[in-house]
Amino acid sequence: QMQLVQSGPEVKKPGTSVKVSCKASGFTFTSSAVQWVRQARGQRLEWIGWIVVGSGNTNYAQKFQERVTITRDMSTSTAYMELSSLRSEDTAVYYCARRFRYGFDSWGQGTLLIVSS
Amino acid sequence: QSALTQPASMSGSPGQSITISCTGTNSDVGSYNLVSWYQQNPGKAPKLIIYEVNERPSGVSNRFSGSKSGNTASLTISGLQAEDETDYYCCSYAGDKTYVFGTGTKVTVL
Repeated sequence: QMQLVQSGPEVKKPGTSVKVSCKASGFTFTSSAVQWVRQARGQRLEWIGWIVVGSGNTNYAQKFQERVTITRDMSTSTAYMELSSLRSEDTAVYYCARRFRYGFDSWGQGTLLIVSS
Repeated sequence: QSALTQPASMSGSPGQSITISCTGTNSDVGSYNLVSWYQQNPGKAPKLIIYEVNERPSGVSNRFSGSKSGNTASLTISGLQAEDETDYYCCSYAGDKTYVFGTGTKVTVL
């Protein structure tokens, strides 16, 4: 069945960067699109951006435009989300999800990022 | 992009129906029939329950239904059950290949 498995929790210092991975299986990765969403503790879901795997085209929310880069490695069926210039407000669970029509039907288990000095 | 507006909480008795609203703008909900809804249990990833306003993925109960009027989309849960008590989020395509989520609604089954 479809599955997205994300990398483990991260603890980073302010000003540094983090790169979260999302390994796909059970579907044709090269024909898919993968989005990234985050959720701070007790807060709402927040859309970060997405990548069309086949073309590598990306789109980002304006809020993250300057600090986020989403990439993919088709040889390993893995998508990546890198966030730079980290600050405490970036502490959250980060999810990847596969796009299905105009919804997102398969989600990773989430990766906890803690930004703390 | 501002978050879509949802009521913070809603409640209902078992067997009743509740309708959760999701209000956006002419730039998102009002311009596209591309609203999706997600159910999220505590500590878990969201689960897609409605896409493209009123389409249900395979395996999702037909007690969940969606609709839209103008800038407001709605999720109706019919025949409320104890297992429906959790958080719900709407999401809309917002143009320029971007998306925006709602503020989230906590549903309580009395």
